[in-house]
Parts: sequence; structure tokens; C-alpha cells
Amino acid sequence: KQEVTQIPAALSVPEGENLVLNCSFTDSAIYNLQWFRQDPGKGLTSLLLIQSSQREQTSGRLNASLDKSSGRSTLYIAASQPGDSATYLCAVNSSYKLIFGSGTRLLVRP
Amino acid sequence: GAGVSQSPSNKVTEKGKDVELRCDPISGHTALYWYRQSLGQGLEFLIYFQGNSAPDKSGLPSDRFSAERTGGSVSTLTIQRTQQEDSAVYLCASSSAGQVNTEAFFGQGTRLTVV
Repeated sequence: KQEVTQIPAALSVPEGENLVLNCSFTDSAIYNLQWFRQDPGKGLTSLLLIQSSQREQTSGRLNASLDKSSGRSTLYIAASQPGDSATYLCAVNSSYKLIFGSGTRLLVRP
Repeated sequence: GAGVSQSPSNKVTEKGKDVELRCDPISGHTALYWYRQSLGQGLEFLIYFQGNSAPDKSGLPSDRFSAERTGGSVSTLTIQRTQQEDSAVYLCASSSAGQVNTEAFFGQGTRLTVV
């Protein structure tokens, strides 16, 4: 059974810092991995999708990496801003459905 | 529409009443998913549709929960005889036809409160 873990559960950083969010999964037989952002009381916004054959994806200040063999992904946020404050979720697609981690709650302090 | 649309955005219902939640996926997306997010909890898979059929209903918590999809588009999640533990945000997502490597897009969710 696929299990997804995210650490840390919460993170508070000053504005401008670079930071890394971690995601690990137990079954390396995945099709893809997707990172989402969730603002309080809102739905999920897709940030990056990494196919199983890819090592990383970049979008603006965000960079996600995938090491399928070790069951790990990281989301790197460069030059963090207060507007980046949200919960970040990673989800693994092992067949047709996404299995989610419990998220990292990020606060970027001005 | 431009994105996944869910209605209502908020629903307050009395314990024991039935509720219907609606999801309108992105046009052309044949895969549709329902998830539930309880307060302070992660996302819990409920059901998956490919077209009008539901090959995986394994996440539905009880027989009070059912879902259907018609015309390969709109889906309705029905909860009968609601209980307080059904209170949660119900999220719907869709992705492109039958391709496991495609991106999933979520709606804004329906916040259900059972009083």
C-alpha cells in the first residue's frame, strides 16, 4: 500500500530565504508525482507535475525533483515571499488515483 | 468552463438529511475523482470515474455515500442520512482521458457542515 509522508509538518521562515520541502513515498512504482498548494479554505492549485521518467521540473521560483528509486521528492522554493504562505501537498500517482501526504504548512514572515 | 467547478461552495444541513454535491469537470476530461478533507486531516480518496463508470469506489466510507456521473461530464456525490462525522470539505478533481501521466486539477471544494 502506497504511503506518502511530508516533512516538516510546519515551517516558518523570514522573507527571502530559500527553502526545501520534502516528500517521501513507500512504493517506487509510480506514474508521476504532483505538488499542490492549498490556501486556507480553498481548493488545491497544481504547482508542478513530474513524470516518473523525469528528474526535475521548474516553474518560476519553484523547482521539484524526483528520485523514484529512493522514493523521494523535494520542492525547492527560491527567494520566498509572504505570498508563498500556504500548505504544500505532494501526491503520488501509483495507478489512476493520487495518494496525498499530509502537507507542510509554510509561513513566510515579512 | 475554464476549471473544475463545484457547487454549492458551502452547505449546512441537519443530521439525518440527504445532501447532493455537484462537480463539473474541465471540458474533455474523462477522469474524475472525489476526495474528502476533514478538519486538520489529509485528503482521503473516495471514488474514481473513467467516463461514466466507476472502476474504484473503494474509498466510499459507508453505503450512505454514492456517486454517479452522467454524459461523461457532471458528477454528483450523494450522502444519505448525514451524520456529524460527514462534516468535511469535499473536493473534486479531473484529468485528461485515460492517461495516467496527466495533471489533475481540483475544484474549490464544497464545505459540508452537519449540525
